Amino acid sequence: EPEVTQTPSHQVTQMGQEVILRCVPISNHLYFYWYRQILGQKVEFLVSFYNNEISEKSEIFDDQFSVERPDGSNFTLKIRSTKLEDSAMYFCASNGAAGSSNQPQHFGDGTRLSIL
Amino acid sequence: EDQVTQSPEALRLQEGESSSLNCSYTVSGLRGLFWYRQDPGKGPEFLFTLYSAGEEKEKERLKATLTKKESFLHITAPKPEDSATYLCAVQGGGATNKLIFGTGTLLAVQP
Repeated sequence: EPEVTQTPSHQVTQMGQEVILRCVPISNHLYFYWYRQILGQKVEFLVSFYNNEISEKSEIFDDQFSVERPDGSNFTLKIRSTKLEDSAMYFCASNGAAGSSNQPQHFGDGTRLSIL
Repeated sequence: EDQVTQSPEALRLQEGESSSLNCSYTVSGLRGLFWYRQDPGKGPEFLFTLYSAGEEKEKERLKATLTKKESFLHITAPKPEDSATYLCAVQGGGATNKLIFGTGTLLAVQP
């Protein structure tokens, strides 16, 4: 069964450094998402991406964050200057053919980001 | 503001002891309610989608139901391998595609 894959599984970074989290969504999906889950808290929406542009972003997704689909298979989340409070599990998700964005979102197993 | 509340926070069952998990929601124009299972250190694994009140879906020992205010995940004769955190999420109306998650119910099934 097709799945969303994320790399790395664990990333340790010094505060203030840039980090790039990588995702390969399911190949025929058109909608891509990033969520995060701080330890012990809810899964929170960060950003959605469709047709090579951001379609929605949350208040968390400030100027330090950016997303990119550099080629036909990868979807990346960049944090420009990491803060201690960015420590969390980051999940990538994807769904849907065009017009079917309310189909289930399928999630990867996440990247655990630890900021020191 | 769209909101999802799950109860109980944690549930311990004996193998074979059936029970239900609750997900109450407040959302403008529900487009879908989703149940996921999350194992430790893993991403949410999709279980069910419910789109309208009265709808029911079943898979093995799990059955999900939906009303206009809440959803239930019924677990019949659970096994230890059903132990996980069960997450409920809603997708609201309009142009949004984001999922709003509850905090989950941590289920432990003891043999």
